[in-house]
Parts: sequence; structure tokens; C-alpha cells
Amino acid sequence: DAMVIQNPRYQVTQFGKPVTLSCSQTLNHNVMYWYQQKSSQAPKLLFHYYDKDFNNEADTPDNFQSRRPNTSFCFLDIRSPGLGDAAMYLCATSRGRFGLSYEQYFGPGTRLTVT
Amino acid sequence: KQEVTQIPAALSVPEGENLVLNCSFTDSAIYNLQWFRQDPGKGLTSLLLIQSSQREQTSGRLNASLDKSSGRSTLYIAASQPGDSATYLCAVSTGTASKLTFGTGTRLQVTL
Repeated sequence: DAMVIQNPRYQVTQFGKPVTLSCSQTLNHNVMYWYQQKSSQAPKLLFHYYDKDFNNEADTPDNFQSRRPNTSFCFLDIRSPGLGDAAMYLCATSRGRFGLSYEQYFGPGTRLTVT
Repeated sequence: KQEVTQIPAALSVPEGENLVLNCSFTDSAIYNLQWFRQDPGKGLTSLLLIQSSQREQTSGRLNASLDKSSGRSTLYIAASQPGDSATYLCAVSTGTASKLTFGTGTRLQVTL
């Protein structure tokens, strides 16, 4: 089945220790997104890739970076995690064509704990 | 800036009841609206997508409506079951990259 896969499902890191979260997709979608969802809050878009073009949300902290080496994979790097970065991180994909909007498909998420 | 509000924040109903979840948004210039289900500690499962030109979509016991001009959507769940217990999120899409703005969700509990 075509799907969005996130690894690991659970990640524990120490305060200030860099961490990388991974997302892969078999849907061949050209747009990939990273959302952050804190407990009992709405998911919040951090950034997205439209093809190879990186698009950062204005209020995404500099501590968060992303890489997309190819169509199938996208990584979220947190350079120096703080306690406030503990959250569920959701990866999503969609088709993208100018002037049109398509359904987004989400992965199962990675729960990040910062100790 | 787009803002999405969902009412009520939590809802408990007995099994078998029909129920309506509400979603409102401040900017009517949307491409589409999606309803998602989220189980505790899990990712998001897409339930229904309504394009801005559509008025409603149906899938099984679920029916979603959209009134774009008034900035409102409803999710109707018929004959609720305990397995429907979850948080339901609505999200509106803006921009050519389909960026989603989410509401904070309605936490639904269906009791036996």
C-alpha cells in the first residue's frame, strides 16, 4: 500500500543534543510537510518542500532545519532541542500543482521526548 | 491570518446517537477543507475532503458540509459507535502548496 512512513515512532533525546527525524513516502507526491503538535494543541506547520524548493514558515525557530535529498525522503533536524520542543512531529505529503489544492496524507508521527 | 475554531471542545454521547461537530474559519479564501480523525498518541487519518466549489461530501456514516461564504463546516456522524471515540480535527487549505491551518479539535467519546 502507498503510504507515509515515519521513523522512529518514539525518540528520546537529551537537552541540547541534535536529533534527526525521518519521513519517507511511496505516494510519489511532490510536496512534503512537517508539522509540530504539542499536547492538546492543533498541529502547526513548520515548513514544506514544493519539489526541491524549501519553504519556511515565518515563526518556525531557527533551531529547526529540514533536508529533502530526493522525492521520497524528508528529514527534520533539531539542532539543539529544548524542553519546549517535546511534541509529536507529523510528516505529510500531497500532490501539488499551481492553482490547485489536493488532499494531504499523514504519517503516524514521531513522539519526541527531551530529557 | 487564518484562524480555525472547533466547537465543542469535547463531547460525550451514548452509542447510537447522531451528532454534529462544528468548524468555523475566518478567511473564506480557501482551496479546500479536510476533516481528520486522531486517536490518542497517533497520527492523523483523513476522513473527508471538500473542495471549495463543493457543498458536501459523504463517506459511510460521515457527512461533511461546507458553507464557504459564512466560513463554516459541519461533520455529521450517524449512529455513533464506541469505535468512533477519538479527536476530530478540521483543517483549511490555503495557498498553492495546500498549507493547512488546523482547529484544536473536538474530543469525542461514545459510551456504551
